[in-house]
Amino acid sequence: QKEVEQDPGPLSVPEGAIVSLNCTYSNSAFQYFMWYRQYSRKGPELLMYTYSSGNKEDGRFTAQVDKSSKYISLFIRDSQPSDSATYLCAMRSTSYGKLTFGQGTILTVHP
Amino acid sequence: SAVISQKPSRDICQRGTSLTIQCQVDSQVTMMFWYRQQPGQSLTLIATANQGSEATYESGFVIDKFPISRPNLTFSTLTVSNMSPEDSSIYLCSVEGDKGNTIYFGEGSWLTVV
Repeated sequence: QKEVEQDPGPLSVPEGAIVSLNCTYSNSAFQYFMWYRQYSRKGPELLMYTYSSGNKEDGRFTAQVDKSSKYISLFIRDSQPSDSATYLCAMRSTSYGKLTFGQGTILTVHP
Repeated sequence: SAVISQKPSRDICQRGTSLTIQCQVDSQVTMMFWYRQQPGQSLTLIATANQGSEATYESGFVIDKFPISRPNLTFSTLTVSNMSPEDSSIYLCSVEGDKGNTIYFGEGSWLTVV
């Protein structure tokens, strides 16, 4: 069993839809959680970082962490075609050091 | 966030040769990492590049295959040695943010081994 599981999709939604991206993890030591966006042939770009259970909002993006269920989510409101990318969850047990990534979800937002 | 530059951005390499990837950061950073992303796969940490000492390699990666240098706090290199088609991947340099708790990535070096 992988430490981090992420549905690879692909996920296709119409413009303006609310998108929900999810990851589950098995290692209860994970305390720090991140979401990255990766466009084709580009490096990952950090979108959200959080370390506590609950919600964190940044513009159209909301990151949600439920440590008791070992489950994290990223919500994208009013999705745009420019949001089309691969979204990767990542996590680690300490505030510094190695990240463990999910497989990535391929998202396409069509006009 | 730090600005991370990688060279080359992409290359096509012959089987059996070696290629060195350079990573330059616009500010001094304590921690630098090298990740690999194979086609259609997620990112896997190769090693942590330590300034002034040998890199720390993850399970499955060895120094003979992936020698790393870190001569100062803004620069590192990763060499992929004796390449085979299985080494065709994106290689990504990353750094710990100056406030900690975040990791930023370069644009990646896309290697194809033929």
